[in-house]
Amino acid sequence: DAGVTQSPTHLIKTRGQHVTLRCSPISGHKSVSWYQQVLGQGPQFIFQYYEKEERGRGNFPDRFSARQFPNYSSELNVNALLLGDSALYLCASSFRWDRVSNEQFFGPGTRLTVL
Amino acid sequence: AQSVTQLDSQVPVFEEAPVELRCNYSSSVSVYLFWYVQYPNQGLQLLLKYLSGSTLVESINGFEAEFNKSQTSFHLRKPSVHISDTAEYFCAVSEMDGNKLVFGAGTILRVKS
Repeated sequence: DAGVTQSPTHLIKTRGQHVTLRCSPISGHKSVSWYQQVLGQGPQFIFQYYEKEERGRGNFPDRFSARQFPNYSSELNVNALLLGDSALYLCASSFRWDRVSNEQFFGPGTRLTVL
Repeated sequence: AQSVTQLDSQVPVFEEAPVELRCNYSSSVSVYLFWYVQYPNQGLQLLLKYLSGSTLVESINGFEAEFNKSQTSFHLRKPSVHISDTAEYFCAVSEMDGNKLVFGAGTILRVKS
């Protein structure tokens, strides 16, 4: 079975541009979470979606938005890119969102570089 | 709110030596605890977790961690490391009513021959 997949693998943008990152969860998983991992730091929670509804939001500006589609895939959008948005963006999927026993499985990430 | 502190940013160790990676957490509510491993250019993989029961939990590749509630710690240990254990290790916590994770800054384990 395929794991969590993310596209693209790498991306280079300039300040002020917009970016869309994509994630496909493991088959059967209905929850997707997004994390930002800045170099030298641990991942930070951005959003969590379950059944197309937002179930959690981290401390990120409104430039960050996300959505989940009927097939449970997800997009993370970032507007007006800043240099500080350069990071590895990780997607994680789980069967549900409301119980810690639902293990999160992480994708390989999208490396975003903002110049 | 929860926070996680990993006390060492890098830990160099020789092959077959023991190692301990330290993790302390802070939370106003009860939490669950996790260790994740990240190999170069890969995503995070769950190494082990503490949800309830025995405070000593083990992974399939020889790592173990002990939950110490009084010291709010969840240190990761391995009695004998291998070159292949070289990776970055993240300690994380989650509240009991959800699976959102709060991570520490990570510890890079470098195993030398």
